[in-house]
Amino acid sequence: KAGVTQTPRYLIKTRGQQVTLSCSPISGHRSVSWYQQTPGQGLQFLFEYFSETQRNKGNFPGRFSGRQFSNSRSEMNVSTLELGDSALYLCASSDMDSYYEQYFGPGTRLTVT
Amino acid sequence: LAKTTQPISMDSYEGQEVNITCSHNNIATNDYITWYQQFPSQGPRFIIQGYKTKVTNEVASLFIPADRKSSTLSLPRVSLSDTAVYYCLVGVPEDSWGKLQFGAGTQVVVTP
Repeated sequence: KAGVTQTPRYLIKTRGQQVTLSCSPISGHRSVSWYQQTPGQGLQFLFEYFSETQRNKGNFPGRFSGRQFSNSRSEMNVSTLELGDSALYLCASSDMDSYYEQYFGPGTRLTVT
Repeated sequence: LAKTTQPISMDSYEGQEVNITCSHNNIATNDYITWYQQFPSQGPRFIIQGYKTKVTNEVASLFIPADRKSSTLSLPRVSLSDTAVYYCLVGVPEDSWGKLQFGAGTQVVVTP
């Protein structure tokens, strides 16, 4: 099976812009989670989607949003970018029986200038 | 989710066994213990999961004492490619709905 893919891999944006990141889960996986990783805060959970519904959400401002499509692909959007949003954004997928065994993609490195 | 404490860093030489101990004093009865590995600029990778006693797979072993207040990840005969950050997670899948709570992890550096 193909692994989790994320596009784009690298992105440079300026403050105030918005950005959309895409994630394609492993075939058959219906749960998709998003994480932000920064040197200062480490890995932090953003949100999780299952069957197009957000089931869980981390402690991030409303500028961070996401959605999931019927084919389980997911997107996350960050509006009004801030310098502090520079991070590695990771997507992970899992199947219904093993939420703790998540398969991560390579991530999207976002730089906000 | 139970809080975990693990060493910030560990150094080792190639061929040695590396043991990383994670403390989780307030682990709940239903909690599982899970370890992830992360290489620089990559997403974490699931290594092993256990509930009690000992679990072994092709990558590592996980030792869990009877009181389950700690666990030890054992990496046998490490190589340079085992240099990574290792995370210990404790919780119950049904409570988390896709949320993994990562701590700071342990940076393992393997040198020749």
